[in-house]
Amino acid sequence: EAQVTQNPRYLITVTGKKLTVTCSQNMNHEYMSWYRQDPGLGLRQIYYSMNVEVTDKGDVPEGYKVSRKEKRNFPLILESPSPNQTSLYFCASSLSSGMNTEAFFGQGTRLTVV
Amino acid sequence: GESVGLHLPTLSVQEGDNSIINCAYSNSASDYFIWYKQESGKGPQFIIDIRSNMDKRQGQRVTVLLNKTVKHLSLQIAATQPGDSAVYFCAEYFQGAQKLVFGQGTRLTINP
Repeated sequence: EAQVTQNPRYLITVTGKKLTVTCSQNMNHEYMSWYRQDPGLGLRQIYYSMNVEVTDKGDVPEGYKVSRKEKRNFPLILESPSPNQTSLYFCASSLSSGMNTEAFFGQGTRLTVV
Repeated sequence: GESVGLHLPTLSVQEGDNSIINCAYSNSASDYFIWYKQESGKGPQFIIDIRSNMDKRQGQRVTVLLNKTVKHLSLQIAATQPGDSAVYFCAEYFQGAQKLVFGQGTRLTINP
């Protein structure tokens, strides 16, 4: 089954404790991205990757890092989480970044930083 | 996408009725638009898309209308069912930046 898998689904952590949210897709997609979803703000793009070893900042990259060492994986790293990073996070992948390419989203990771 | 607000717009309709969800987009240069459906506890799911050289596109029970003059996009869902209850997002694609920008979403509730 074609899917995007995020782990963990839920995470509560303390300020400053490094964490990684994993994302994996099994569709051989080139383009992957991370979004955060906050009430009233819709989905905002954090980082994206056009292909292996190619990553770039989205609209809200501060406090986040990503890596794309393999095509299928695109982990999101919070080196020193802060309470304002409490949010619902989604990973997405698509065949390419162009038009008419459907984006597939993961189930989401709800992160709480206390 | 839609202007940022603190509250999610909501729409309630009776089961079996038609519903129309509206979206105002910001960039007249956007050339591709997508509607996503997000059910509780799940990620957004693609519903239907439309290119800027079209003004209407139909799918199964859904129709998207695009009015470029007033930068307005709408999603019509015919004969709504309980499974249509979800948050619906419009997204506009910026060709230059090669990225999607999402609106804040509309919560659709189907009443039995």
